[in-house]
Amino acid sequence: DAKTTQPPSMDCAEGRAANLPCNHSTISGNEYVYWYRQIHSQGPQYIIHGLKNNETNEMASLIITEDRKSSTLILPHATLRDTAVYYCIVSRESNFGNEKLTFGTGTRLTIIP
Amino acid sequence: ETGVTQTPRHLVMGMTNKKSLKCEQHLGHNAMYWYKQSAKKPLELMFVYNFKEQTENNSVPSRFSPECPNSSHLFLHLHTLQPEDSALYLCASSQEKGDTQYFGPGTRLTVL
Repeated sequence: DAKTTQPPSMDCAEGRAANLPCNHSTISGNEYVYWYRQIHSQGPQYIIHGLKNNETNEMASLIITEDRKSSTLILPHATLRDTAVYYCIVSRESNFGNEKLTFGTGTRLTIIP
Repeated sequence: ETGVTQTPRHLVMGMTNKKSLKCEQHLGHNAMYWYKQSAKKPLELMFVYNFKEQTENNSVPSRFSPECPNSSHLFLHLHTLQPEDSALYLCASSQEKGDTQYFGPGTRLTVL
């Protein structure tokens, strides 16, 4: 799987948009970009994933650059409950038989009241 | 609630004890996973099961023994553990292997 690079920590004011960057310059054509988050002492929570196109769901938006070498997770209106470690992961889809999610150290996002 | 439950949530055991961790998913998924998360380290994949068959053992010591009796249940049997095995043990499931994974709350294990 391609390696990802994320800033170790970020702060964001409550109510503002939180933009979390991720670099994955060695991503290959069949690899998806996944985002998970882990609130302290809980299991990781799936947020969103995408291949080429930008994606949006009820939790967040995922913006993937045209060359796919980087992406940004956007939490549009951050709340205190969004304080967590956010993981950006690239992984192949199941047809290619790679079931691994390789978690790095992620970005510790702190929402400031 | 993710549809994946784990019991117990906390476990303290001595190095000579034998204990088991249980995971159950109510999502109708076919793949299940065990992960280990030690303090200040990334999550490490331990085992993968797909349709009850083990498809991956990520060089895990034999003192950890997984069991998957059906697609909804996954166990991790523990025996003669070491203090460095203290960690958060997380279970996850996905529709098929490689699909989006949904995690349980984890079992916080302390080995004395």
